[in-house]
Amino acid sequence: GESVGLHLPTLSVQEGDNSIINCAYSNSASDYFIWYKQESGKGPQFIIDIRSNMDKRQGQRVTVLLNKTVKHLSLQIAATQPGDSAVYFCAENLQGAQKLVFGQGTRLTINP
Amino acid sequence: KAGVTQTPRYLIKTRGQQVTLSCSPISGHRSVSWYQQTPGQGLQFLFEYFSETQRNKGNFPGRFSGRQFSNSRSEMNVSTLELGDSALYLCASSLSGAHNEQFFGPGTRLTVL
Repeated sequence: GESVGLHLPTLSVQEGDNSIINCAYSNSASDYFIWYKQESGKGPQFIIDIRSNMDKRQGQRVTVLLNKTVKHLSLQIAATQPGDSAVYFCAENLQGAQKLVFGQGTRLTINP
Repeated sequence: KAGVTQTPRYLIKTRGQQVTLSCSPISGHRSVSWYQQTPGQGLQFLFEYFSETQRNKGNFPGRFSGRQFSNSRSEMNVSTLELGDSALYLCASSLSGAHNEQFFGPGTRLTVL
């Protein structure tokens, strides 16, 4: 499949452990944030989103935390599974801008 | 419900040629966005269309253009191809824009020789 990034930061975790992927966003006026997962050969897949009036949102096995003070976003994946291996991107949107600005991505690898 | 489809999936062109890529959004979605993905630059926004109108454009040269049809399908065109245009071109659709969940297609892998 395609390589989505030759020099991406990499996070290696043991299967069953929790993973935390971090992202610093660029625009303090951004008010919508999304995490995407991209597997080799596929387009980005929506995982979870959060709006700026919240600081935490939970989904199935995933939690997103937003710290607007330091412009930081994190994705927590509980009980990491082999199928979680992928590149994870954060993205931000400024209302009215009609575009997403993506972070550089983090490659998550799962050790058996 | 069918997802976002992009054609062709793979394309090989030579420098100086032009190329047209196609995107069919999810039924009912009126916003279509295009992104370029390269190892060096990551995911970069190209443009966004809604109801046949371009609402936003990224920092790409005028060789990159697009359009949207009345059925929300979209095409993007790159003229006078350069080696640096080699990339994965991704299309995303949403109900009304980037402030809603965007669904991505599998992309078109363009190689310029």
